Amino acid sequence: EADIYQTPRYLVIGTGKKITLECSQTMGHDKMYWYQQDPGMELHLIHYSYGVNSTEKGDLSSESTVSRIRTEHFPLTLESARPSHTSQYLCASGDDRDPYEQYFGPGTRLTVT
Amino acid sequence: TQLLEQSPQFLSIQEGENLTVYCNSSSVFSSLQWYRQEPGEGPVLLVTVVTGGEVKKLKRLTFQFGDARKDSSLHITAAQTGDTGLYLCAGPDSGGGADGLTFGKGTHLIIQP
Repeated sequence: EADIYQTPRYLVIGTGKKITLECSQTMGHDKMYWYQQDPGMELHLIHYSYGVNSTEKGDLSSESTVSRIRTEHFPLTLESARPSHTSQYLCASGDDRDPYEQYFGPGTRLTVT
Repeated sequence: TQLLEQSPQFLSIQEGENLTVYCNSSSVFSSLQWYRQEPGEGPVLLVTVVTGGEVKKLKRLTFQFGDARKDSSLHITAAQTGDTGLYLCAGPDSGGGADGLTFGKGTHLIIQP
């Protein structure tokens, strides 16, 4: 059973607000990822990290930023939320033995009004 | 950019019937993963196929990787209502060292009682 958690599960917020989506895993995985998923669409990688102090942008351009100060924690921040940021945000982690077998959190459904 | 095309996009069948869904690409993948995602949740890894021609079974689910490693199929025998969900195939992104995954749009499967 994968142990990866995301909070909040649902967030409705007004335009211009700063938000942070939390992601934590207890598996000791070095690699962590953020994906964005719109309804009926595929998941797109927006950020990833190989370990502490490592962060990179993914394939899909995103105005969000991430940090990795601790192995287990990979928060995503939007400095000024806009309606175009409305989406489902999924966090995942994986280890070096099977990097493509990724374990996903339950996601955060973000709505910006 | 590697693309994974899944078909059919939607499938609704009666409990007890058999079904097959497909995942196709023009690109060669070193491996393919199948995930199932339920509404409001993150994807859950079902299986990874690595070798061309490989067949893996998970109870009533049979996964096959094409000989050329460009396609995969998922066959469900005697479908049950609990099989309802979004089935996603994914493969390693060739774009560089992220270990991120490229996802298909998925097949929405509904098993009716």
